[in-house]
Amino acid sequence: KNEVEQSPQNLTAQEGEFITINCSYSVGISALHWLQQHPGGGIVSLFMLSSGKKKHGRLIATINIQEKHSSLHITASHPRDSAVYICAVRGYSGGGADGLTFGKGTHLIIQP
Amino acid sequence: EAGVAQSPRYKIIEKRQSVAFWCNPISGHATLYWYQQILGQGPKLLIQFQNNGVVDDSQLPKDRFSAERLKGVDSTLKIQPAKLEDSAVYLCASSFRGGHTNTEAFFGQGTRLTVV
Repeated sequence: KNEVEQSPQNLTAQEGEFITINCSYSVGISALHWLQQHPGGGIVSLFMLSSGKKKHGRLIATINIQEKHSSLHITASHPRDSAVYICAVRGYSGGGADGLTFGKGTHLIIQP
Repeated sequence: EAGVAQSPRYKIIEKRQSVAFWCNPISGHATLYWYQQILGQGPKLLIQFQNNGVVDDSQLPKDRFSAERLKGVDSTLKIQPAKLEDSAVYLCASSFRGGHTNTEAFFGQGTRLTVV
């Protein structure tokens, strides 16, 4: 069973700061997801990674397969970025079972 | 493209009562997942369907939880009887097909269940 750890659990920053959220996992994976969850809202997929780096707007996600580690970066953070950011992994499994294993999430607050 | 639809959004029941949640996945998505998210924790997979067949229900508490996807489209998740510890958000997600490295899952808004 994969163990997914995220850090920090809570993060408060000022608008404009560069934000980094980290995720580590214990067992080799086929893909890693970064997701965003707003209070009372559903979950939105930000990135799906199996190697390297992806960028979308002010968001950047990287993964190091050998070290079993991924980071999510937010450049020029804005109060609307305030949300819970969740790391989730998909392992290798037979029979088509590919449900995600989630971390506990990082609660990010960006103050104006 | 319409997203994953779930209903109801909120439900409050007394312990030992029964409750059912409904999910309509994105059209054409063969794979459907139900997750349970207890406050302060990440979601946990309860069950995965591929079309109308169960692929993974290893973490489903089968003594009280059941789920079906009879026609391979909509799905219902039922709890009978409910316990206080079942209070959580129940999330439905769907993907075009499962068992593929690059398959992205799309999530519904969730149903927040409170058992009192």
